[in-house]
Amino acid sequence: RKEVEQDPGPFNVPEGATVAFNCTYSNSASQSFFWYRQDCRKEPKLLMSVYSSGNEDGRFTAQLNRASQYISLLIRDSKLSDSATYLCVVNMGSNYQLIWGAGTKLIIKP
Amino acid sequence: DTAVSQTPKYLVTQMGNDKSIKCEQNLGHDTMYWYKQDSKKFLKIMFSYNNKELIINETVPNRFSPKSPDKAHLNLHINSLELGDSAVYFCASSQGADGYTFGSGTRLTVV
Repeated sequence: RKEVEQDPGPFNVPEGATVAFNCTYSNSASQSFFWYRQDCRKEPKLLMSVYSSGNEDGRFTAQLNRASQYISLLIRDSKLSDSATYLCVVNMGSNYQLIWGAGTKLIIKP
Repeated sequence: DTAVSQTPKYLVTQMGNDKSIKCEQNLGHDTMYWYKQDSKKFLKIMFSYNNKELIINETVPNRFSPKSPDKAHLNLHINSLELGDSAVYFCASSQGADGYTFGSGTRLTVV
């Protein structure tokens, strides 16, 4: 089993819809979690951190489920500009040991 | 000002050559990294330096040698380049438990 797993997609979603995807992690000792966004041929950029209590930033909501060992990202009222690959990142215990998922590709269609 | 800048942006070179990629950050971060992203888009850490000290050295061929002259710079030198080295190499920096800031990447193509 991979340490961090994501559905690679692509998720094809009409503009304005709500889309959600999950990321599972194998190490129950993982301490912190992040979602990054990577546009085609660009560098990854931090989208949001994922806190135990959940985290909301505008149209984006991230949640953590420690019991089932997954984090989720929900995007409401999706925009064309949300098209990107979303990378799940798990900190295994120190800041130097981030494990990256392979990413979920999201395509928002007009 | 670009927070994490790496040069060159594109690098096309022949097998067997030696090349270097440079990275500089002006964020005052203590930790810098080199990542490799291959054609399957997996991001894999190669090296990490904290205050000029090597703290992560993943299973990377010893043809790859990082150098950190100060905490704002982390360079990557690659000897005897092979076809399989073709990838995008990202430099990044971080401070504490905050997320990473990445450079824009160096697209290396070995022919």
